[in-house]
Amino acid sequence: GAGVSQSPSNKVTEKGKDVELRCDPISGHTALYWYRQSLGQGLEFLIYFQGNSAPDKSGLPSDRFSAERTGGSVSTLTIQRTQQEDSAVYLCASSRIKLAGFSYNEQFFGPGTRLTVL
Amino acid sequence: AQSVAQPEDQVNVAEGNPLTVKCTYSVSGNPYLFWYVQYPNRGLQFLLKYITGDNLVKGSYGFEAEFNKSQTSFHLKKPSALVSDSALYFCAVRDEGGSYIPTFGRGTSLIVHP
Repeated sequence: GAGVSQSPSNKVTEKGKDVELRCDPISGHTALYWYRQSLGQGLEFLIYFQGNSAPDKSGLPSDRFSAERTGGSVSTLTIQRTQQEDSAVYLCASSRIKLAGFSYNEQFFGPGTRLTVL
Repeated sequence: AQSVAQPEDQVNVAEGNPLTVKCTYSVSGNPYLFWYVQYPNRGLQFLLKYITGDNLVKGSYGFEAEFNKSQTSFHLKKPSALVSDSALYFCAVRDEGGSYIPTFGRGTSLIVHP
């Protein structure tokens, strides 16, 4: 009965370096979401996965951001050539979503990864 | 298109008093509405949701919310606030016929004073 886990919990990096953020969703949850939360701001949607495919990548702020999901489970968000404006808390959430018909299930969030770019 | 608004950045209330955190929404079809709470340095936790049925929805920690279709609102309420309720509260909406991606409000900081 583990919840959504994310690693690392904190990441400090230098400008220009690449970083990888990991998300382990709840077992059986087919939908996975990445969000970004800057200080004092709401949630900024980044990308959504249904299984291993990402039908909506519209929120990725630039081509420096990419994400993948393997085995319908773990997801990795990669930020290349990090910039100071990438500093934020990156949240992952999972949900039980049906492909057909309606789905109204809530999301379960991980604790987040706090990224600081110096 | 779907959108949600939380008109108050911050709500202050004395412990023991009732609290209300406001949320209004806009969707093309029928709304699925959610409230989440975020404690410091934590992820968001689900509180309650409205899908269909009774307009008054009860959730975790004594919270409830009332769906008002005519006013397109889904305000979060609690009869008696606790200091431990102090946190950031997010309202979210999905359009029943829309994408699987909910839209979140900017959040309302609730401060309960002893």
